[in-house]
Amino acid sequence: GENVEQHPSTLSVQEGDSAVIKCTYSDSASNYFPWYKQELGKRPQLIIDIRSNVGEKKDQRIAVTLNKTAKHFSLHITETQPEDSAVYFCAARPGGFKTIFGAGTRLFVKA
Amino acid sequence: DAMVIQNPRYQVTQFGKPVTLSCSQTLNHNVMYWYQQKSSQAPKLLFHYYDKDFNNEADTPDNFQSRRPNTSFCFLDIRSPGLGDAAMYLCATSRDGTAGEQYFGPGTRLTVT
Repeated sequence: GENVEQHPSTLSVQEGDSAVIKCTYSDSASNYFPWYKQELGKRPQLIIDIRSNVGEKKDQRIAVTLNKTAKHFSLHITETQPEDSAVYFCAARPGGFKTIFGAGTRLFVKA
Repeated sequence: DAMVIQNPRYQVTQFGKPVTLSCSQTLNHNVMYWYQQKSSQAPKLLFHYYDKDFNNEADTPDNFQSRRPNTSFCFLDIRSPGLGDAAMYLCATSRDGTAGEQYFGPGTRLTVT
């Protein structure tokens, strides 16, 4: 069935270093891949997304890459800051209304 | 300006006592979703409305129902809450079902005593 695997489950980096979170999806019909940041007790917030006709997208310190052949997509955060600490969810939409979420990555950025 | 509003933000109910959570949106989006999110887990889709068409996920318990009286409002009814239903309930909207952004509300944290 539809599935999104996300790794690692926990990631700890030093302030200023880069963080990379990787996801793999199973449904080749997936055509939209959002990334959400969720701080404790708050709503998931979209931080970047990519559609299946694009291989890479960048927004300031955040970038996402997509490899459709391998069904991989990754989030890259450069120059991490303590305020980047949160849980990050990748997701895939295989058409229609359902969004399949990964299990989440808890990112700690140490000052 | 708030786009997806959920009330209340915190709700305490007793075991077995029906409870209703509400969601409203100012985006005029066609689709409204209800998700359940338990601690340290991903949001789990319970159901969604595309306009007036209701779509239930296969694994959503019968204990959960929803109503959408108009475009702006959507309600989640839990008929007989159990301890396992304690969670954050997130409402979300999207313009349509194509590849587009979902907008989440702030959530209602439900406690069952």
